Amino acid sequence: AQSVSQHNHHVILSEAASLELGCNYSYGGTVNLFWYVQYPGQHLQLLLKYFSGDPLVKGIKGFEAEFIKSKFSFNLRKPSVQWSDTAEYFCAVTGTASKLTFGTGTRLQVTL
Amino acid sequence: KAGVTQTPRYLIKTRGQQVTLSCSPISGHRSVSWYQQTPGQGLQFLFEYFSETQRNKGNFPGRFSGRQFSNSRSEMNVSTLELGDSALYLCASSLRGNSYNEQFFGPGTRLTVL
Repeated sequence: AQSVSQHNHHVILSEAASLELGCNYSYGGTVNLFWYVQYPGQHLQLLLKYFSGDPLVKGIKGFEAEFIKSKFSFNLRKPSVQWSDTAEYFCAVTGTASKLTFGTGTRLQVTL
Repeated sequence: KAGVTQTPRYLIKTRGQQVTLSCSPISGHRSVSWYQQTPGQGLQFLFEYFSETQRNKGNFPGRFSGRQFSNSRSEMNVSTLELGDSALYLCASSLRGNSYNEQFFGPGTRLTVL
């Protein structure tokens, strides 16, 4: 069975600080990797995804993530966070089926 | 293009009752998945429907069921409600339900069981 671990449960950063959120997965086959974001009061929406090819993927709003197969990791990064990035971030994987397995989420709070 | 819509947005029920939640996917999307979100368990997959057939099912008891109609709209039903069923139920749609397709989420239905 596939599983996803997000080790940071709550992160507090000042504006302009750099962000890295950890995500590790466990799955025996080929995976597809996703980061979703849930802004306060809004729907879950896709930030970025990795299926194949270049392991460094860029998403919306300046976010990027790097797939490191040897470490089973897909960490999310942003060089300089803004107050508007305050949200909950979920790492997720799919295997051969479309079922998304989510991590427990990381709550990011950006202070002015 | 309109997004995924879910009705109702909020529901309050009592233990033992049953409830039906509805989801309308994005036009042209044929796959609909349902997820349960709770503070303790996070986001958990319930089931997925494609072309009116259940393709995948999560680890939930048989009290949780669903169906999909020919227009791709989907409903999920929970019978004999328990307090632990209180959660945000999310519906997501995708074009073909392939593992690499982006899933678009609706706003959810907040179910409270008293």
